[in-house]
Amino acid sequence: IAGITQAPTSQILAAGRRMTLRCTQDMRHNAMYWYRQDLGLGLRLIHYSNTAGTTGKGEVPDGYSVSRANTDDFPLTLASAVPSQTSVYFCASSDGEGSYNEQFFGPGTRLTVL
Amino acid sequence: AQSVTQPDIHITVSEGASLELRCNYSYGATPYLFWYVQSPGQGLQLLLKYFSGDTLVQGIKGFEAEFKRSQSSFNLRKPSVHWSDAAEYFCAVGHNNAGNMLTFGGGTRLMVKP
Repeated sequence: IAGITQAPTSQILAAGRRMTLRCTQDMRHNAMYWYRQDLGLGLRLIHYSNTAGTTGKGEVPDGYSVSRANTDDFPLTLASAVPSQTSVYFCASSDGEGSYNEQFFGPGTRLTVL
Repeated sequence: AQSVTQPDIHITVSEGASLELRCNYSYGATPYLFWYVQSPGQGLQLLLKYFSGDTLVQGIKGFEAEFKRSQSSFNLRKPSVHWSDAAEYFCAVGHNNAGNMLTFGGGTRLMVKP
């Protein structure tokens, strides 16, 4: 089934540890995004990539890094996790640039940093 | 700065009753507007979107929304709610900046009484 997969589904992590959240899409979409969802704040963009080999910062990029080595994969790394990074993380993709393109979302990763 | 406000955090309606979820936005240009739905434990799914033209847009699952420029609003409506509509609903405004960013409202959680 075409779509976006994220791994892990959930994770509990000690503060200071490094963690990579994985995201893979099989729709051959050019653009990919990472959001975090916090209660009452909706979703906020962390990083994005308009095409393989390029990345950019979103609204809340501090403490996170991304890479886009190919079209399908867009991992999000927390180099040294802090409790404020406890959140639900969603990966999304869209067919082309431009915010008018529908973004398709993965099922999310629930991350708890203790 | 762009912003989206969903004034109602929680709404409870009876099955079969009509529904209106409010969304107000702040954006300097003509906005791209979206409504997404998130079922428990799931990612977001696009319900409908407005870019231009007819200010009343139809979406999936029997939802519609009306763009009112004078009120900076994009309220979501459904004439008869079903129990399966219980979910969280997010309004978003799209930007044509480098990140193709969507700015989301804080969400409205809909509960449906039998």
